[in-house]
Amino acid sequence: QVQLQQSGAELVKPGSSVKISCKASGYTFTSYDMHWIKQQPGNGLEWIGWIYPGNGNTKYNQKFNGKATLTADKSSSTAYMQLSSLTSEDSAVYFCARWKYYYSGAYFDYWGQGVMVTVSS
Amino acid sequence: DIVLTQSPATLSVTPGESVSLSCRASQGISTSIHWYQQKSNESPRLLIKFASQSISGIPSRFSGSGSGTDFTLSINRVESEDFSVYYCQQSYSLPYTFGAGTKLELK
Repeated sequence: QVQLQQSGAELVKPGSSVKISCKASGYTFTSYDMHWIKQQPGNGLEWIGWIYPGNGNTKYNQKFNGKATLTADKSSSTAYMQLSSLTSEDSAVYFCARWKYYYSGAYFDYWGQGVMVTVSS
Repeated sequence: DIVLTQSPATLSVTPGESVSLSCRASQGISTSIHWYQQKSNESPRLLIKFASQSISGIPSRFSGSGSGTDFTLSINRVESEDFSVYYCQQSYSLPYTFGAGTKLELK
């Protein structure tokens, strides 16, 4: 069965960077886009961007340009997101989610359990 | 960016009631809308894809309708396990966006 297993919670200092992971299993990792979504405490969901692990192509929400960097390691079926120059506004839960294409459209069919990132001195 | 406006923000109901949750898009998006349920401290779960298409494993009491700018998620006879937050999401154009959510709570 499809599983997306994300790394553990992070407590990081302002101005630093953090790299979180999403290990995929149960499907061909290189055949599906992996997306990342941000959820601040008590708030809704915000799309960050995606990576296609097959060739490393990425697309970002303009709002996260320079903040998030998406990579993928085909050998371990793991997607990564690095967040840089962290501020309190980056404190949130970050989800990875698989993008499922269906005819001319697509949707998120599987989600990771989420990683809580807390930015605090 | 396409803005999705969900209403109401909170819906207080008793088990057994049937409810309708609304999602309105700031421009026409055909049927490129999907609904997710998120329980406290969990990740979202897909309920309905492309406005009205059912998902395997999701109870039949959940259904969706709409096209263009107005969409509805209906729950027929709410059960206790349904109390959670519901989000709509559009895949019509980048950046993909979500509504702010409707919280379904116990009256």
